[in-house]
Amino acid sequence: GDSVTQMEGPVTLSEEAFLTINCTYTATGYPSLFWYVQYPGEGLQLLLKATKADDKGSNKGFEATYRKETTSFHLEKGSVQVSDSAVYFCALSGYGGATNKLIFGTGTLLAVQP
Amino acid sequence: SQTIHQWPATLVQPVGSPLSLECTVEGTSNPNLYWYRQAAGRGLQLLFYSVGIGQISSEVPQNLSASRPQDRQFILSSKKLLLSDSGFYLCAWSAAGFSYNSPLHFGNGTRLTVT
Repeated sequence: GDSVTQMEGPVTLSEEAFLTINCTYTATGYPSLFWYVQYPGEGLQLLLKATKADDKGSNKGFEATYRKETTSFHLEKGSVQVSDSAVYFCALSGYGGATNKLIFGTGTLLAVQP
Repeated sequence: SQTIHQWPATLVQPVGSPLSLECTVEGTSNPNLYWYRQAAGRGLQLLFYSVGIGQISSEVPQNLSASRPQDRQFILSSKKLLLSDSGFYLCAWSAAGFSYNSPLHFGNGTRLTVT
């Protein structure tokens, strides 16, 4: 079945460092891919998405490119800030029907130190 | 604009007690509604989803049930809680209809601890 695999965390970086969080997926068909962010004690917020191969989603300095050939959707940011500390979830749109059911990875905790 | 409300924010319940978590959405009609659970150190597991009033689909057999008595109200219940029901419960909505591109919009979650 469809699945998402994320790199294990936690990822600890110094402020202004470069960030990469790896995400690979297995899916039948052509899913859309998403990155969500969860700040401490809160629900998830959509960070960015890409709906077809070679699309690049971007928001708040984060970006990810939908790579069909490597079935990947890695999240990157050139210079992280302390305020980026959160859990990041990769997700894909699941099986069909009348809903958009997302399949999530296990999440990657990012801790940015000043 | 659309908003989603989920309550309570935290809840501590003894084993064997009942549960009722409520979620409401404002600013949209006929949304798709979802209940997810996030167990400690694990990802999100879809528990239930609904495409309309009274229409509930269960993803995982378990000790929980869901109901949708009104278009924008989604309730998660249990008659007798188990220790394994502890976790962070998230309600979410997406736009009506079928679309792989529609993102989910999440509430702030309820942290349930069963003691």
